Amino acid sequence: NAGVTQTPKFQVLKTGQSMTLQCAQDMNHEYMSWYRQDPGMGLRLIHYSVGAGITDQGEVPNGYNVSRSTTEDFPLRLLSAAPSQTSVYFCASRILAGGHNEQFFGPGTRLTVL
Amino acid sequence: AQRVTQPEKLLSVFKGAPVELKCNYSYSGSPELFWYVQYSRQRLQLLLRHISRESIKGFTADLNKGETSFHLKKPFAQEEDSAMYYCALSPFFSGSARQLTFGSGTQLTVLP
Repeated sequence: NAGVTQTPKFQVLKTGQSMTLQCAQDMNHEYMSWYRQDPGMGLRLIHYSVGAGITDQGEVPNGYNVSRSTTEDFPLRLLSAAPSQTSVYFCASRILAGGHNEQFFGPGTRLTVL
Repeated sequence: AQRVTQPEKLLSVFKGAPVELKCNYSYSGSPELFWYVQYSRQRLQLLLRHISRESIKGFTADLNKGETSFHLKKPFAQEEDSAMYYCALSPFFSGSARQLTFGSGTQLTVLP
């Protein structure tokens, strides 16, 4: 199993550009989520999904869109990048029900917006 | 609302010394508490969770509901323990989502 994979690893954008961060998991997890990691602020939830066709907003959703057309994939779209979106982005997944609430994280995407 | 506070951004200890990383939380219901660790250039991974009451890599953490704390402890720190540590909270029963809320993290450095 590859677990949770993310592409690209690094990306530099200019203000106003758009891009999609890819996330995939091969563990058949229903729940997937996106976080951003900023110094001194920990990880903050951007969007999450509890299954194909179902998405919802987290703590900091503005400027980001998501979709979940399959169980495996959960891309994050930046429609018009801003310098405030410079961050490290982590995708995570877990099973939805049951006692084990362990999230499995991807390796992260380091995004710089100039 | 749920909140996790890690008061120390940076913590340095010498090898062999005890280490304690503090975590306090705020949540009105029953919480599930976790510690996640991120070693240099690696992805976040679960270190331990309070419900399993286990010791991982010599680390333990006890949930103190009276003080709303979940401090991480290790009696003898090792250089390989140097990493970023995140405390996280999830509602124990809150529908199907059970969102994780993370603290701001503590960067632990174990000096030789």
